[in-house]
Amino acid sequence: GAVVSQHPSWVICKSGTSVKIECRSLDFQATTMFWYRQFPKQSLMLMATSNEGSKATYEQGVEKDKFLINHASLTLSTLTVTSAHPEDSSFYICSARNPTGRGETQYFGPGTRLLVL
Amino acid sequence: AQTVTQSQPEMSVQEAETVTLSCTYDTSESDYYLFWYKQPPSRQMILVIRQEAYKQQNATENRFSVNFQKAAKSFSLKISDSQLGDAAMYFCAYRSYNTDKLIFGTGTRLQVFP
Repeated sequence: GAVVSQHPSWVICKSGTSVKIECRSLDFQATTMFWYRQFPKQSLMLMATSNEGSKATYEQGVEKDKFLINHASLTLSTLTVTSAHPEDSSFYICSARNPTGRGETQYFGPGTRLLVL
Repeated sequence: AQTVTQSQPEMSVQEAETVTLSCTYDTSESDYYLFWYKQPPSRQMILVIRQEAYKQQNATENRFSVNFQKAAKSFSLKISDSQLGDAAMYFCAYRSYNTDKLIFGTGTRLQVFP
């Protein structure tokens, strides 16, 4: 149980285009999902908390108009990187909390590698 | 604000031996959770072990165990009978009882030699 998937696993796009990344909880309903960014050889940095049916909560320094988050259902959250630039190239990871299980634990997706040319 | 510190950027261990990864944290809260996550080369974050702060007993999961010292704010991970598949980045993380946010340490890269 507690499986989280992400799609796509990697994406290459041109500068100026938008990229959408999906995060799904496969065997549980997640009222809360989280989006992280990880630079090479560094730790995970929380970007935002995605709440089903309401606006996402962004961490300080994260541009909400740049990184659009939509949590439209209890099993799906999407992160859209708008007008992507090379500096947005990174590894993006989502996680979800299973409120009916060990609710304190976050389960992570496999990540999406984004390369902006 | 809470912080998590992993002072060992890299560690190495020989197969079948035991290794301990260090983690310290700073908080003024009394109720919280602590986690160790493993990130292998695939970069999939995998939960290794968790500890509730109110529990005095150290958590164990097969070959993995923790030494939780609440007063010292220390949460080390011991890996016994190390295997080649244990090679990965290990992240220590803190979660307050009242929020969902995970605060990660900078990670320790563990190498396992045959």
